[in-house]
Amino acid sequence: EVQLLESGGGLVQPGGSLRLSCAASGFSFSSHAMHWVRQAPGKGLEWVATIVANGADTYYADSVKGRFTISRDNSKNTLYLQMTGLRAEDTALYYCSNDHSGAYILDSWGQGTLVTVSS
Amino acid sequence: DIVMTQSPDSLAVSLGERATINCKSSQSVLSSSNNENYLAWYQQKPGQPPKLLIYWASTRKSGVPERFSGSGSGTDFILTISSLQAEDVAVYYCQQYYHTPSITFGQGTRLEIK
Repeated sequence: EVQLLESGGGLVQPGGSLRLSCAASGFSFSSHAMHWVRQAPGKGLEWVATIVANGADTYYADSVKGRFTISRDNSKNTLYLQMTGLRAEDTALYYCSNDHSGAYILDSWGQGTLVTVSS
Repeated sequence: DIVMTQSPDSLAVSLGERATINCKSSQSVLSSSNNENYLAWYQQKPGQPPKLLIYWASTRKSGVPERFSGSGSGTDFILTISSLQAEDVAVYYCQQYYHTPSITFGQGTRLEIK
């Protein structure tokens, strides 16, 4: 069974930083691209970032480009999202998801970790 | 970016009746190279993460009940629940993965029991 467990969320002041982690199990982590998707309270889904299976390529939404960095450690089956320069509009539940067949189909999702940016 | 627009925003259907959710993309998500529509549907129940239901517009993910079906091509798509069950109460999202990496979602359709 695929399991994705996010952690690292919390309350942070505007301009602050956080690093999210996503521990993966139940599938061949190193063979799958991975994604971060966020959901602001009461709102819809927004793609944040993607990293390919070997970590060589990364992609970002314009809203986070230059502030967020996605990375992975295939030896630890763990995905990361380093967030800097946080803004109030980054407040959201952050989900990690594994990719289905390399097509940007979001196969399984974690329960999410909540990031709140507020002074 | 491709804009995905769902209709209606909310829907109330009686148990056992058919529920239909529409999704329209601002440009075609049909690939001429493989004749596939790059369109997925997700279900998000209250307090839970989204769950993949359908991809390639009409392929049900393993384990998804047969009452869920997807149809459409090009820019217009439909998610149909043939006989609504109580456990189907959720918000449903469509997603295009034609224009990657900038995948986009519809705004969601809230499905309730009448």
